[in-house]
Amino acid sequence: TQLLEQSPQFLSIQEGENLTVYCNSSSVFSSLQWYRQEPGEGPVLLVTVVTGGEVKKLKRLTFQFGDARKDSSLHITAAQTGDTGLYLCAGGGKEGFQKLVFGTGTRLLVSP
Amino acid sequence: GAVVSQHPSRVICKSGTSVKIECRSLDFQATTMFWYRQFPKQSLMLMATSNEGSKATYEQGVEKDKFLINHASLTLSTLTVTSAHPEDSSFYICSARRTGPLRVNTEAFFGQGTRLTVV
Repeated sequence: TQLLEQSPQFLSIQEGENLTVYCNSSSVFSSLQWYRQEPGEGPVLLVTVVTGGEVKKLKRLTFQFGDARKDSSLHITAAQTGDTGLYLCAGGGKEGFQKLVFGTGTRLLVSP
Repeated sequence: GAVVSQHPSRVICKSGTSVKIECRSLDFQATTMFWYRQFPKQSLMLMATSNEGSKATYEQGVEKDKFLINHASLTLSTLTVTSAHPEDSSFYICSARRTGPLRVNTEAFFGQGTRLTVV
């Protein structure tokens, strides 16, 4: 069974601070995705990484896929209150019929 | 972009009744859809993989007779919670993966979720 452990589980910070969320597994994934979920809604895709060592930037968010494609990180610079939410990593195959395995989740609270 | 629509968003039902949740891919065909369950403040737990025209594949520990899945067309999958009980109360989410060019780097799109409360 493929498992994705995220750390930390919960993070409470002040606006303007930086933070990093980690997603680790003992399994190799063909691709890894990061999502953010608001309460009462479905997850929304932030980014997909597919190449070991790949780094992608989305405004203040920087995503990295580990060289061995077993882990990933999400770094947020100068957090804003709008970044509050549940962050989920998910790994799986590249094909559309292949299921995604979700990480344990990181709940982020950014206070003014 | 691709959209997956889930209905209803909220439902309250009496214990012992059945509830059907629909998941539609609005602008792409999805031969495979996925059903997840999410408990408060927890991650998504995959329940089953819904396959168009064939039987669903259930994850270990998920009762197939309790959670009936039908994928009758390329744009619609349904999850029916049969003889619902209070412990079935949860947030249910469906998703579909859209195949990109050369069948790589597929994205998963999620429905809005259904909050089921069994009283």
